[in-house]
Amino acid sequence: EVQLVESGGGLVQPGGSLRLSCAASGFAVSNVYMSWVRQAPGKGLEWVSVIYSGGNTHYADSAKGRFTISRDNSKNTVFLQMNTLRAEDTAVYYCARGSSAWYDYWGQGTLVTVYS
Amino acid sequence: EIVMTQSPATLSVSPGERATLSCRASQSVSSTLAWYQQKPGQAPRVLIYDVSTRATGIPARFSGSGSGTEFTLTISSLQSEDFAVYYCQQYNKWPQTFGQGTKVEIK
Repeated sequence: EVQLVESGGGLVQPGGSLRLSCAASGFAVSNVYMSWVRQAPGKGLEWVSVIYSGGNTHYADSAKGRFTISRDNSKNTVFLQMNTLRAEDTAVYYCARGSSAWYDYWGQGTLVTVYS
Repeated sequence: EIVMTQSPATLSVSPGERATLSCRASQSVSSTLAWYQQKPGQAPRVLIYDVSTRATGIPARFSGSGSGTEFTLTISSLQSEDFAVYYCQQYNKWPQTFGQGTKVEIK
């Protein structure tokens, strides 16, 4: 059974950092592409970053230079390192498994709150 | 960036009735469009991909159509479990983008 479990969210002050984790089971993260998608409170979905099976990465403009996506194949886990956080980064962050280019499995999400 | 615009923002429908949701792209996305359903406190769930292919386990009352810039999700006979927010997503070009959502509520 495919499962994605995010962790690492929490409260952080502006300018701070957080590292989100997405532990996968039922498949190998190295064989698919994995994305982070976020949802601000009461708002819609926003794609943030992707890591391809080959290791290439891509970022939304809002994340470029501040966020880094990576993975540990031995732990079957994908990470999102978020630096220089801003209030507008407050959101539930979902990891999602790409199937072609749409998403067939999503985690339950982890809440990041940036407050001053 | 391709902007996805969904209409209406809210759709009030009685159980058993038909619901038609629209999604418009700011430029052609060919057939690279998916629909997701999201219920409060839950992650999105894929319903339709490649415009009209139902994902595994999705009931036949959900159908998708369209091409280019105009797309439609139709729910033929709304069930109680279908009241939720629906998002379209284009995956033709990076960044992938989602519509702002259509909330389907009970009339």
